[in-house]
Amino acid sequence: GNSVTQMEGPVTLSEEAFLTINCTYTATGYPSLFWYVQYPGEGLQLLLKATKADDKGSNKGFEATYRKETTSFHLEKGSVQVSDSAVYFCALTPNTGFQKLVFGTGTRLLVSP
Amino acid sequence: DAGVIQSPRHEVTEMGQEVTLRCKPISGHNSLFWYRQTMMRGLELLIYFNNNVPIDDSGMPEDRFSAKMPNASFSTLKIQPSEPRDSAVYFCASNRLAGESGEQFFGPGTRLTVL
Repeated sequence: GNSVTQMEGPVTLSEEAFLTINCTYTATGYPSLFWYVQYPGEGLQLLLKATKADDKGSNKGFEATYRKETTSFHLEKGSVQVSDSAVYFCALTPNTGFQKLVFGTGTRLLVSP
Repeated sequence: DAGVIQSPRHEVTEMGQEVTLRCKPISGHNSLFWYRQTMMRGLELLIYFNNNVPIDDSGMPEDRFSAKMPNASFSTLKIQPSEPRDSAVYFCASNRLAGESGEQFFGPGTRLTVL
């Protein structure tokens, strides 16, 4: 079946540090891949997406590249800010039949000043 | 755009009581999703509707849970009777087409506490 695996959190960084949150997936065919972010007390919101192999999604300084050969979609940011503290979810839709979002378990990021 | 609207934002009730959660999707969106989020189980899809019709309710945990979408601008999730293990944050999300890119727009959630 379709599944998403994320690194365990929390990830604790100092401001301006480099961030990587690993995400790998299992899916048949060619899924679309997403990163959602959940700030404290809020719902999830789309951060970035990529719909085909080698695409790079980017937003707010975050980037992720769709790597079909390694079935990965790692999230990166060159310099994190305290305001980036949140829970990050990797997700996919299978692009076959109904586009149900399959989420990973989420990774909490804590950035200290 | 007002975004997805959920009410109430917080609900505290006693075991055995009926609970009704409400959702108003974004205007023009014709797919609606109900999720439940807990520390133990993460984010779970409970049910989704397409054009007001329930398509997949395989995530609904028990017969105590039911969901309706009487029109394109309103949906309810009801728990009767409620139990302490139902305590969670319940999210509603919508998108324009079930088959469109997968981006879903989430509401702020309802935090349910069953005592």
